[in-house]
Amino acid sequence: SQQGEEDPQALSIQEGENATMNCSYKTSINNLQWYRQNSGRGLVHLILIRSNEREKHSGRLRVTLDTSKKSSSLLITASRAADTASYFCATDPNTGNQFYFGTGTSLTVIP
Amino acid sequence: DTEVTQTPKHLVMGMTNKKSLKCEQHMGHRAMYWYKQKAKKPPELMFVYSYEKLSINESVPSRFSPECPNSSLLNLHLHALQPEDSALYLCASSQDRTSGNNEQFFGPGTRLTVL
Repeated sequence: SQQGEEDPQALSIQEGENATMNCSYKTSINNLQWYRQNSGRGLVHLILIRSNEREKHSGRLRVTLDTSKKSSSLLITASRAADTASYFCATDPNTGNQFYFGTGTSLTVIP
Repeated sequence: DTEVTQTPKHLVMGMTNKKSLKCEQHMGHRAMYWYKQKAKKPPELMFVYSYEKLSINESVPSRFSPECPNSSLLNLHLHALQPEDSALYLCASSQDRTSGNNEQFFGPGTRLTVL
């Protein structure tokens, strides 16, 4: 399977703290994307980082990409209860024919 | 309009039934996807349509039959399903398969239960 791995599987933090989740993948990629999914709902696109980029910011989100290590991290700063969700990384490999989701991190932000 | 809609929201069917899931987008996207997602697992790709042609079938059993009547619509026809097919079925669309910015827009999903 070319599915990526995410860690931790589950993360519980207090509101206001930062949350970091990591994604490792297996193939070379065009880009890597992060998605959020609230329980039993559709996925929402958060941010896309291209293979030639190392860091990207969007509001309280910071994503890094290290293609030499085939890994990415998502940092959510100043977390809020509304950030409680599952977070998935997804890779778009150079083959251009597949789109692989990682195993996901379940984030709980305690008010 | 940046929305992908899916109907129905919930579906309960017997193993001998025939039903269809529908997906619609009006963003002018030329790639559309079906995913299956079991509880606490990531979405698994089932089918990809690119410019209304089936470009990827991830070895999905023939009891699932996709159809793309036009560039805005995607159907998934279901027949003789098994209880293990119970899952959340997600539809998504993106500009196309070859663009470097292929952010996928997801619908809310259809929660399918097979009795």
